[in-house]
Amino acid sequence: EAQVTQNPRYLITVTGKKLTVTCSQNMNHEYMSWYRQDPGLGLRQIYYSMNVEVTDKGDVPEGYKVSRKEKRNFPLILESPSPNQTSLYFCASSPTANSPLHFGNGTRLTVT
Amino acid sequence: QKEVEQNSGPLSVPEGAIASLNCTYSDRGSQSFFWYRQYSGKSPELIMSIYSNGDKEDGRFTAQLNKASQYVSLLIRDSQPSDSATYLCAARMDSSYKLIFGSGTRLLVRP
Repeated sequence: EAQVTQNPRYLITVTGKKLTVTCSQNMNHEYMSWYRQDPGLGLRQIYYSMNVEVTDKGDVPEGYKVSRKEKRNFPLILESPSPNQTSLYFCASSPTANSPLHFGNGTRLTVT
Repeated sequence: QKEVEQNSGPLSVPEGAIASLNCTYSDRGSQSFFWYRQYSGKSPELIMSIYSNGDKEDGRFTAQLNKASQYVSLLIRDSQPSDSATYLCAARMDSSYKLIFGSGTRLLVRP
């Protein structure tokens, strides 16, 4: 089944403890992206990747890192999480940069 | 300034009516537009994409694009209670690869 898989689905952590949210797609898509969704603010793009080893900042990249070493994987790294990063995170991919996005099921992160 | 604007709603319509959802965007260079539906607690799913001026129909859904007015709309005919969700409008400018979302319009279809 074609899909974007995020793990974990739920994560509760403490301030400053490094964490990684994984994202993997099995559709051979070139474009991948991370969004966070907050009430009243909608989906905001954190980082995106046009292809392997090509990443760029979205609108809210502060406090996040990404890497794209393989085409299928695009992990999101929070080196030192803070409470303002408590949010619902979505990974998404598309065949090209101009194609519609396919979204993962989301990761609900709580930082205390 | 928000680049993609939507009325947050809720927009309430009776079952069987036409629901009209609207979206404006600020960047004249935007070329690709998408409507997503999101049920509470779920991920967004694509409803329609539209790239050129005019109407595009798919079943009960019609997307309308007017680039001169920087306006995108989604019409849902014969609305069903199962259409109750938040509808997200998104715009992408071809010279960058950011896809910008509006905050979404919540639609309620009353049985």
